[in-house]
Formats: sequence, C-alpha cells, structure tokens
Amino acid sequence: GAVVSQHPSWVICKSGTSVKIECRSLDFQATTMFWYRQFPKQSLMLMATSNEGSKATYEQGVEKDKFLINHASLTLSTLTVTSAHPEDSSFYICSAPPEGYGYTFGSGTRLTVV
Amino acid sequence: AQSVSQHNHHVILSEAASLELGCNYSYGGTVNLFWYVQYPGQHLQLLLKYFSGDPLVKGIKGFEAEFIKSKFSFNLRKPSVQWSDTAEYFCAVVDSGGYQKVTFGIGTKLQVIP
Repeated sequence: GAVVSQHPSWVICKSGTSVKIECRSLDFQATTMFWYRQFPKQSLMLMATSNEGSKATYEQGVEKDKFLINHASLTLSTLTVTSAHPEDSSFYICSAPPEGYGYTFGSGTRLTVV
Repeated sequence: AQSVSQHNHHVILSEAASLELGCNYSYGGTVNLFWYVQYPGQHLQLLLKYFSGDPLVKGIKGFEAEFIKSKFSFNLRKPSVQWSDTAEYFCAVVDSGGYQKVTFGIGTKLQVIP
C-alpha cells in the first residue's frame, strides 16, 4: 500500500531556531500533500496544502512566513518552522491523498521548543 | 465549512463488550467519510472508508461503520472489543467535490480493560 515517510519523529530545538520536517511519498507520486498540527487533547487541524510546483495554500490563521512549505518534487514536501517559539511545540503530521487509499499519513513529528 | 462531531471523548469498555462510537458531520454536499485509528506511539492508520454504494462499510480488524445520510452520521461499531483495540479513533470527512481537505473530529480515546 501507499506509504508516507516523515522525518524526524521528534525534535527538540532552542527558541529562535528553525526546524525542517520532511514528508516523502515512498511508492507513489503526490502532487498535493497536506500538513496538520495536533495540540494536546485536540483534533488534527489542517495548516496548509502543499502543491508541487506552486505556492502552498495556507489555512486561515496560519502564518505563512513562519511555516514555510516547499514541495520540491512529486515525492517530497518540507515544512520549516522558522524562529520557533515554545507555543509552536506540537505534533505535526503530513498526509498525501493517493487515489483510493484514503489519505495516507506520515508517522508525525513531535516538536518541542525550549 | 464542513465540521465533524465525535460525541464520546473517552470510552472505557471491558473485553468482549460491544462498541459504538458516534460521528456526525456538517456539510451540505457529497462527502467521503473515514475512520482512522491511532494506537499508542504509532501513526494514524485507516480503519475504513465510505465513498459510495453500500452504506454499511466493513473495515479491518472487525470494525464496521454505517453511513446514514439523513442523519449525517457515520458511526463506528465492533461487536466484541479486545484489549488490543485500545487506541484513539478519529472520524474524518472530505468534500468529495473539493480539493480534498480532510476535516477531523476531536477523536475518541477507547480504553479496553482485560
């Protein structure tokens, strides 16, 4: 079946630094990928839609200058959290919608900003 | 905008008990519906999905769900739960005519007691 690989699984960074999270589709091509964020005791909230070859589409309230998304190829999308602050600590997860597979998800990245 | 409500946030059952988790969605158009499961320490996995056809959908591990269009519901059921079903369950909706943004419910934590 379709597999999405997400790295790193967890990361701890200092406040003010940037962190890059990668999302790869391993056995299929994804022109679109989605980035979600999950705060404790809340559901996954869509942050942005990553589009190969064009700019990402951000949901209302998500700072595009803070959460930089690059869809470099048909198998790779990256999310960079710039100038991270403790309030950015969260669980970030990507997904890709291969036809018929029901939106495969990566394993997620636990970001802790100290 | 579409939304998803999961009414039971935390459910505790004994092994062999029957399970039903409620899911209601709010959207006027045609939707695709999903149930995902997240086992402790693991990533989201697809349990089952409804795109069209028979409204009673069977998924993996003995789970099933019934789409009742008139009630905007897609409840998840299992006749006899096992300790290994302990996990968090998410109902999700996609606008089938849109750009495939997935809206998740808040999730239901299921704890099965041996």
